[in-house]
Amino acid sequence: GAGVSQSPRYKVAKRGQDVALRCDPISGHVSLFWYQQALGQGPEFLTYFQNEAQLDKSGLPSDRFFAERPEGSVSTLKIQRTQQEDSAVYLCASSLAEDRVGGYTFGSGTRLTVV
Amino acid sequence: AQSVTQLGSHVSVSEGALVLLRCNYSSSVPPYLFWYVQYPNQGLQLLLKYTSAATLVKGINGFEAEFKKSETSFHLTKPSAHMSDAAEYFCAVSEGSSASKIIFGSGTRLSIRP
Repeated sequence: GAGVSQSPRYKVAKRGQDVALRCDPISGHVSLFWYQQALGQGPEFLTYFQNEAQLDKSGLPSDRFFAERPEGSVSTLKIQRTQQEDSAVYLCASSLAEDRVGGYTFGSGTRLTVV
Repeated sequence: AQSVTQLGSHVSVSEGALVLLRCNYSSSVPPYLFWYVQYPNQGLQLLLKYTSAATLVKGINGFEAEFKKSETSFHLTKPSAHMSDAAEYFCAVSEGSSASKIIFGSGTRLSIRP
C-alpha cells in the first residue's frame, strides 16, 4: 500500500482482556518497528523485525507483550491480560532495509484504552 | 547509550516569528539525527534528517536544522512561523545502521499565536 496501515484505529479493552493490534507495512519494506507512546511522551521502542525475524525485543515491557510477523509482511502486537498502564498509542513503522539513513514511515497508530 | 534531550516541553511564538526548538543528543558513535512532526491523532512525519553529510540540513515546510558536534546539538529552526506549524515536534537519534532503532526525545509542543 501507499502507507503504513494500522488497525483498529481505536481499541477499548477491559482490564484483563487480551488485545491484538495489526500493522500492514509499506509493500517491500523489510524492517518493521513497534513503538509505544504514552500520553504527552515521545515514542518508546518496543521491538524490531527484519523480514520475519524478530531481531530486537528489548523494549517489550513484560512477558504479556508479544509480537509476530510470520510471513515477513503484516505484523501483530498482542497484549495479554491488559492493565491500565498499557493505555497508550501503539505506533508501527517500516523502512527499507537498505535505506540506512531514511528514517521510518509511521502509521497513524492504534489508541488503546484499558478501563 | 544514545539519548536526546529536548529543552522546553512547550514553545509558543507569534505568527511570522522565528521558530527555534532545541535538541541535544548523546551518542557513543557518530549519530544519525532526525526531526519528526506529529499532528493531533496522527502518526509521525519525517521533517528532516542528518546523515553525516552537510551539517545544515533543509527539510520540508521551510524547516532546517544544524548539526553542531562541538555542542552536541541539532536545533530545529524556521524563519517565519505559520499557524499550520502548530504540532508536536520530536528530535530523535540512531546509530545509523539499517537495523538500528530510533530513540526519541520527549517532544516539544509548538503553539502559534495569531
